[in-house]
Amino acid sequence: EPEVTQTPSHQVTQMGQEVILRCVPISNHLYFYWYRQILGQKVEFLVSFYNNEISEKSEIFDDQFSVERPDGSNFTLKIRSTKLEDSAMYFCASNPRETYNSPLHFGNGTRLTVT
Amino acid sequence: AQKVTQAQTEISVVEKEDVTLDCVYETRDTTYYLFWYKQPPSGELVFLIRRNSFDEQNEISGRYSWNFQKSTSSFNFTITASQVVDSAVYFCALSDTSITQGGSEKLVFGKGTKLTVNP
Repeated sequence: EPEVTQTPSHQVTQMGQEVILRCVPISNHLYFYWYRQILGQKVEFLVSFYNNEISEKSEIFDDQFSVERPDGSNFTLKIRSTKLEDSAMYFCASNPRETYNSPLHFGNGTRLTVT
Repeated sequence: AQKVTQAQTEISVVEKEDVTLDCVYETRDTTYYLFWYKQPPSGELVFLIRRNSFDEQNEISGRYSWNFQKSTSSFNFTITASQVVDSAVYFCALSDTSITQGGSEKLVFGKGTKLTVNP
């Protein structure tokens, strides 16, 4: 069964550094998402992306965050200048359009640690 | 606003016991979807079920069953004859569907219930 793939599984960075988290959604999917889970807390929506543009974003998704689909397969989340509070698990997800509200397929997550 | 409440923070049972995880939701939408996800210690989110708001039939899948009651805005999850491998954090979620966005799906998650099944 096709999977959403995320790399790296764990990223350690210093405060103030830029990080890029990478995701390869399922190939025929058209909607892409990033969610975040601070350790021990609930999973929170960050942003959804469709047709090469952001379709919705949360209050968390401020100017430090950006998303991009640089080619036909990758979907990236960039944090420009990381803060300690950005430490979290970041999940990428995707779903197709033809099946309205099909369940989100989540990747295994990237654990970001900001020191 | 959409909201999901999982009042049970942690539950501990002994293997073979049945356990029910509670989920109560709030929404003004007439059409919505409810979900359960499992997060094992390894950290990934494993999809368990999606339920349409128009379908109140209970569902059973092996040892798992779900009880959807619109009247009480609840979508509870029962594991029968629990096993050690069921130990995980379980999240209930509600879709916050923006119809104008087509198929875009934004999920609102509860805080999760940590289930520990002891041998």
